[in-house]
Amino acid sequence: EPEVTQTPSHQVTQMGQEVILRCVPISNHLYFYWYRQILGQKVEFLVSFYNNEISEKSEIFDDQFSVERPDGSNFTLKIRSTKLEDSAMYFCASSDGRNNQPQHFGDGTRLSIL
Amino acid sequence: AQTVTQSQPEMSVQEAETVTLSCTYDTSESDYYLFWYKQPPSRQMILVIRQEAYKQQNATENRFSVNFQKAAKSFSLKISDSQLGDAAMYFCAYQAGETSGSRLTFGEGTQLTVNP
Repeated sequence: EPEVTQTPSHQVTQMGQEVILRCVPISNHLYFYWYRQILGQKVEFLVSFYNNEISEKSEIFDDQFSVERPDGSNFTLKIRSTKLEDSAMYFCASSDGRNNQPQHFGDGTRLSIL
Repeated sequence: AQTVTQSQPEMSVQEAETVTLSCTYDTSESDYYLFWYKQPPSRQMILVIRQEAYKQQNATENRFSVNFQKAAKSFSLKISDSQLGDAAMYFCAYQAGETSGSRLTFGEGTQLTVNP
């Protein structure tokens, strides 16, 4: 069965540095998402992406964040000038856009800001 | 805005027994979808079951079934014949149906322990 893949599985970064989290969505999917889960808390929506542009974003997704689909397969989340509170698990998901079909999640990237 | 509430932070069940996890949600929309996701210690997000709001019949997937009460805005998950591998955090999630590709809104989660 096709899977969403995320790299790296764990990223450790110094505060103030930039990080790029990478995702390869399922190949025939059209919608891509990033979610965040701070340790011990619920999963929170960050942003969705369709047709090479952001389709929806949450209040968390401020100017510090950006997303890009640099080629036909990768979907990236960039976090500029990282802060301690950016430490979390970041999940990528993809779907074919039909709402009766679920979003498929990757295994996540654990981001640790020191 | 839609909200999803899971009022049971922790639940436990004996192996082979049945357990029910609660979820309520708030929405003004009539077209939506509900999901239960499982998150084991590895922290993957695994889809357990989904329910379309327009369907009156409760969804079932093997040992997992839901009790969907649309008027009460309640969506509980029943796990029958619990197994040790069912131990995980369970998240209830809501998705609006009127717009393609809309976000998932998650509840706070219920940590399920299965005792041998």
